[in-house]
Amino acid sequence: KAGVTQTPRYLIKTRGQQVTLSCSPISGHRSVSWYQQTPGQGLQFLFEYFSETQRNKGNFPGRFSGRQFSNSRSEMNVSTLELGDSALYLCASSLLSGLTDTQYFGPGTRLTVL
Amino acid sequence: DAKTTQPNSMESNEEEPVHLPCNHSTISGTDYIHWYRQLPSQGPEYVIHGLTSNVNNRMASLAIAEDRKSSTLILHRATLRDAAVYYCILRADTGGFKTIFGAGTRLFVKA
Repeated sequence: KAGVTQTPRYLIKTRGQQVTLSCSPISGHRSVSWYQQTPGQGLQFLFEYFSETQRNKGNFPGRFSGRQFSNSRSEMNVSTLELGDSALYLCASSLLSGLTDTQYFGPGTRLTVL
Repeated sequence: DAKTTQPNSMESNEEEPVHLPCNHSTISGTDYIHWYRQLPSQGPEYVIHGLTSNVNNRMASLAIAEDRKSSTLILHRATLRDAAVYYCILRADTGGFKTIFGAGTRLFVKA
């Protein structure tokens, strides 16, 4: 079974631009979560989607948004990029959305904002 | 949100057991404790999870304190491939499910 895939793997943008990252979950998984990883802040939860509905959102500004499609694929968008948005963005999928569900992480998208 | 506290780093010798501690003194009654690890240049991978009772699987054991304010991940025989950052995580139901990562413990394994 194929794992979680994220595209693109690397991305370079300039301040003020916007970016869209894509995540394809493991087949059959209905929940997708997004995380931001930086050296200073570590891993921080962005949001979680289940069956096309956002179930929860972390403490990030409104510039960060996401969505999930009917095939469970998910995208996250960051508008008006800032230098501080440079990070590894990780996507994780799980079969359902529950307290005991195992999350399977993708390799991440490395975003660099210049 | 409940938080977890872990030592920044730990060191172990190969083939010896490793005990990785985690403090979660503000844990709520329904929060599950999960452990993930992140090898270099990879996304995190699941290790184990539990609620109140100690848990074992092929990778590790999880010992949870009776008051649930702390837990310990036990690797029974560390190998060089176990060198990674280990995250103690609380999975909380806040009307949706939120995963709160701690800062993680970087485990160094010496041959």
